[in-house]
Amino acid sequence: QVQLQESGPGLVKPSQTLSLTCTVSGGSISSAGYYWNWIRQHPGKGLEWIGYIYYSGSTYYNPSLKSRVTISIDTSKKQFSLKLSSVTAADTAVYYCARNDVGDYAAAYWGQGTLVTVSS
Amino acid sequence: EIVLTQSPGTLSLSPGERATLSCRASQSVSSNYLAWYQQNPGQAPRLLISGASSRATGIPDRFSGSGSGTDFTLTITRLEPEDFAVYYCQQYGSSTGYTFGQGTKLEIK
Repeated sequence: QVQLQESGPGLVKPSQTLSLTCTVSGGSISSAGYYWNWIRQHPGKGLEWIGYIYYSGSTYYNPSLKSRVTISIDTSKKQFSLKLSSVTAADTAVYYCARNDVGDYAAAYWGQGTLVTVSS
Repeated sequence: EIVLTQSPGTLSLSPGERATLSCRASQSVSSNYLAWYQQNPGQAPRLLISGASSRATGIPDRFSGSGSGTDFTLTITRLEPEDFAVYYCQQYGSSTGYTFGQGTKLEIK
């Protein structure tokens, strides 16, 4: 059973770069069959998709965040990562990593989520 | 950009009753691209339905999805206590990626 686990700082200062990593276990990250996503949820609010990466390194970002987002993948470590630059308090959220199968436009596997607070 | 509007915002029902949750899209959505999730407090969302009507692995058959075009529905027959949660619909667009509705909270009456 595939499992995803987010990790990274829980507190980031305004204007700095938020960096999170998702570690995948129980399955392959380098399979051609999956997209690896980052999704966030502001406190008490709904869900916002940030972007995804394919094992080859190709990416697709939410147009509203595209200028600040970089998603990368390290198949040797079975990890993919999120960098969000120039953060403000509006980026305070629970950040989830998730997997969807190619051809299935829904995320069946999610990490537990990690809260990132942007504050000085 | 396709906007998903879920209704009602809050639905108050009793265990054993039937729940009908709506998701309306601002433009036509391919049924292949419509999914439903359940989220309990402090937990990650759980996939219920993909492709508008296909139950995910392990999802009880009291959950069903239907609809096409701009109108989609999640139906839960015979509500169980563990079904009271927040439900989100989600769609995929080739130019916008994934977008979610604002959610429907299903609460115990």
